Amino acid sequence: DIQMTQSPSTLSASVGDRVTITCRASQSFNNWLAWYQQKPGKAPKLLIYKATTLESGVPSRFSGSGSGTEFTLTISSLQPDDFATYYCQQYNSYSRTFGQGTKVEIK
Amino acid sequence: QVTLTESGPALVKPTQTLTLTCTVSGFSLSTTDICVNWIRQPPGKALEWLARIDWDDDKYYSTSLKTRLTISKDTSKNQVVLIMTSMDPVDTATYYCARAAYHYDSSGYTGGGFDNWGQGTLVTVSS
Repeated sequence: DIQMTQSPSTLSASVGDRVTITCRASQSFNNWLAWYQQKPGKAPKLLIYKATTLESGVPSRFSGSGSGTEFTLTISSLQPDDFATYYCQQYNSYSRTFGQGTKVEIK
Repeated sequence: QVTLTESGPALVKPTQTLTLTCTVSGFSLSTTDICVNWIRQPPGKALEWLARIDWDDDKYYSTSLKTRLTISKDTSKNQVVLIMTSMDPVDTATYYCARAAYHYDSSGYTGGGFDNWGQGTLVTVSS
């Protein structure tokens, strides 16, 4: 199985900051990668699919990049609604795997 | 409007078998390039993918749990069922079902992210 490792596990930031979360895969694959946002007590919400495509309705301050084994989620200017936990997920192989999550906290 | 709704017991005893149902609306389980997944999340922990069933009835399971899982669908009832055997307290979690859909655009074949999720159902394993 492809293992996904996110960094950092926790990130403290202020409103307006540029935030970057990294996801590294145990083997290279063809960009079948998604990013999700989850708030406490809620189901995850799809932000990005196929590594770089913004899901409909998601603000343009979110962007995805990367290829091969290293992928990045960037929030260009952190907003109050963005404090949450973020997960990457690969869907290249028959099985799917999530990263362990990155919690974005208020600094 | 696409919706997914999980249902099942809130409490199961150790060694028992868990049966969860995901009832969907707004799309058909037989539509090409659509699949339904089960994912779980223990309290305070990360998401874990469990299983998926595709429009053509192909089935795939988590490597670590595949001996305990069975996924199936009833297209006429718009339902996907997950069965997990030999439940243990470590299986206590919120269980979600989620849809993934692929499509073609100018860049080619794309999609596949879990674009619609149920609200989740908390299953506690305890005697």
